[in-house]
Amino acid sequence: DAKTTQPPSMDCAEGRAANLPCNHSTISGNEYVYWYRQIHSQGPQYIIHGLKNNETNEMASLIITEDRKSSTLILPHATLRDTAVYYCIVRVEFSNIQGAQKLVFGQGTRLTINP
Amino acid sequence: DTGVSQDPRHKITKRGQNVTFRCDPISEHNRLYWYRQTLGQGPEFLTYFQNEAQLEKSRLLSDRFSAERPKGSFSTLEIQRTEQGDSAMYLCASSLRTAYGYTFGSGTRLTVV
Repeated sequence: DAKTTQPPSMDCAEGRAANLPCNHSTISGNEYVYWYRQIHSQGPQYIIHGLKNNETNEMASLIITEDRKSSTLILPHATLRDTAVYYCIVRVEFSNIQGAQKLVFGQGTRLTINP
Repeated sequence: DTGVSQDPRHKITKRGQNVTFRCDPISEHNRLYWYRQTLGQGPEFLTYFQNEAQLEKSRLLSDRFSAERPKGSFSTLEIQRTEQGDSAMYLCASSLRTAYGYTFGSGTRLTVV
């Protein structure tokens, strides 16, 4: 079962920052938050992940609240090529395999960047 | 090596036929995952391999589904006696260390008619 809740769709103007929210109120202490995006007919593409601290890479920033019940993905200067479905994901431990996990996807947010 | 490869990209089959998909992970990745994605939904976990051992199977993986990863390299996913409900995108992903990202292939889109 999905552990994340996202708005189904969002719009953002080209050149502006896109802020994508995600709720994961049932997340456990050792479960990471991952963000992936999927452009039509392609496989999901890794964006960023984090546990407690805010993270930044060349693609995006991830802001995780102190209680870890929600997070926000920030695309600082959105371009038309950022139009995609963005998935907020919790990495969940397998119950019977030590040291191994799986990604549990939610429904995703369809982000449209408008010119 | 440029990523995870899946073959074929598209497959159309008649109901009741058997189909097999192949996934070639990134060569040094010892962990391999299969996911299924239906239209408008996020991917759902099907099964997990660590090297050649299949260590976890989702309840979504009915008896008609079987997956193998001989010698811990490529993997195959077979669906026997396909049904229309099997129509979906089948995604393969691989990883080396669980602290890092999981690399997905482009998927195989199955249409059962």
